[in-house]
Amino acid sequence: AQSVAQPEDQVNVAEGNPLTVKCTYSVSGNPYLFWYVQYPNRGLQFLLKYITGDNLVKGSYGFEAEFNKSQTSFHLKKPSALVSDSALYFCAVRPSRGDYKLSFGAGTTVTVRA
Amino acid sequence: DGGITQSPKYLFRKEGQNVTLSCEQNLNHDAMYWYRQDPGQGLRLIYYSQIVNDFQKGDIAEGYSVSREKKESFPLTVTSAQKNPTAFYLCASSIDSSVPPDTQYFGPGTRLTVL
Repeated sequence: AQSVAQPEDQVNVAEGNPLTVKCTYSVSGNPYLFWYVQYPNRGLQFLLKYITGDNLVKGSYGFEAEFNKSQTSFHLKKPSALVSDSALYFCAVRPSRGDYKLSFGAGTTVTVRA
Repeated sequence: DGGITQSPKYLFRKEGQNVTLSCEQNLNHDAMYWYRQDPGQGLRLIYYSQIVNDFQKGDIAEGYSVSREKKESFPLTVTSAQKNPTAFYLCASSIDSSVPPDTQYFGPGTRLTVL
């Protein structure tokens, strides 16, 4: 069975500082990995995904994520955080073959202080 | 949130009542999904539909029912058999779930509260 772990419930950073949200996964075979962001009382917005190829994936709003196969990780990063990045972030995984269902992590709440 | 709409935004239910949550998409997507979100638990899959007139149970289908009579619509009924229905419900759709990597796009959600 596939699973996702987001080891930090909360991440707090100052505006302008780098932001990292951690994600590790477990899946049979090669993974497809996704990051979503959720603002209060809203649906999830797609940020980026890893399929294959370059381990550094660039997405929306200046976010990027680095795929590390040996560490089974897919950490989300932003070089300079904004107050408006404060939200709940979800990592999700599905195998590249077979079961197409997405498995989500529990989420990480990011707070960026001015 | 794109072309996926959910209604109502807030819904209150008395114990013993069935309620239906609406989900409509104009993206011409074949696949649609219903998730339940509880604090600190991420998203859990309730039901999914890969194509019109077909749907399958997800991980927590007990106490829920769905229909998929039209490509653009995938309503979810929360029945009185669901013992703890208070949650945030999210609908999603994707182009074709059988062709990876199929990105799912989400609606704005419905918050259901049992009184």
